[in-house]
Amino acid sequence: KAGVTQTPRYLIKTRGQQVTLSCSPISGHRSVSWYQQTPGQGLQFLFEYFSETQRNKGNFPGRFSGRQFSNSRSEMNVSTLELGDSALYLCATGTGMNTEAFFGQGTRLTVV
Amino acid sequence: KQEVTQIPAALSVPEGENLVLNCSFTDSAIYNLQWFRQDPGKGLTSLLLIQSSQREQTSGRLNASLDKSSGRSTLYIAASQPGDSATYLCASSPSVYGNKLVFGAGTILRVKS
Repeated sequence: KAGVTQTPRYLIKTRGQQVTLSCSPISGHRSVSWYQQTPGQGLQFLFEYFSETQRNKGNFPGRFSGRQFSNSRSEMNVSTLELGDSALYLCATGTGMNTEAFFGQGTRLTVV
Repeated sequence: KQEVTQIPAALSVPEGENLVLNCSFTDSAIYNLQWFRQDPGKGLTSLLLIQSSQREQTSGRLNASLDKSSGRSTLYIAASQPGDSATYLCASSPSVYGNKLVFGAGTILRVKS
C-alpha cells in the first residue's frame, strides 16, 4: 500500500514568487491536512480538506491557500513568498474524523 | 486554546535503558492523542494512537498511556536501542470536527551505544 506522497521534495524560490505543493493521500483517505514546521514555531496546522471542502483552518495569512480534487489529492499554494515562509511543509492524510494521521516526507521550501 | 507541552526537551541515555517521555495538554476535552517519531529532515512516522476512551496502547517495545483528567500522556520505551534516536512528538486532536492536530515541541532522544 503506497504511503503519502508529497512533491516536490525540495524547492528554492525567490521572495515575491508563488509556489504550489502537492500531496497525494493513501488510497481511500479523504482527509488531507497541511502543516508548516519551522525550528522556531514547531509544527503548526495550516488547513484541512475533506471531500473537496475546507473543514478546518489555522491562523495563517490569506497568502496560504489550498484545494482538494475529486481524487482526494490536495495542493497548497503560497503567494508572494516571504523569507519567513522557508520551512518544511508536511501533509497528513486520514480516513475520516479523529483517525490516525499518516504523514508524507514533506516538501522543504527555501525562500531566498 | 489547546497547548501541548513535552518534557524533557532532550534526553540522552545508554543503550538498553528504559525511558519515559512526557506530554501534557491544557484542555482535557481531546478526542485522541497520537505519538510520532521524526528523523532529521524527514516526515513523521505514527507510533501509537490513543482514542479518548482508551487508557493505553502498546506496540512492541512502546507503550503509551493517556490520563485525560490530569491532561497527561506518557510514552514508555523499553530496552532502548540506538535506532530509537529521533525526535518524538505528541499531538492532541482537540476537535470532534475534523483532523486538526496540536503538536508539542518534541523530545529529542539520543540512545548511545
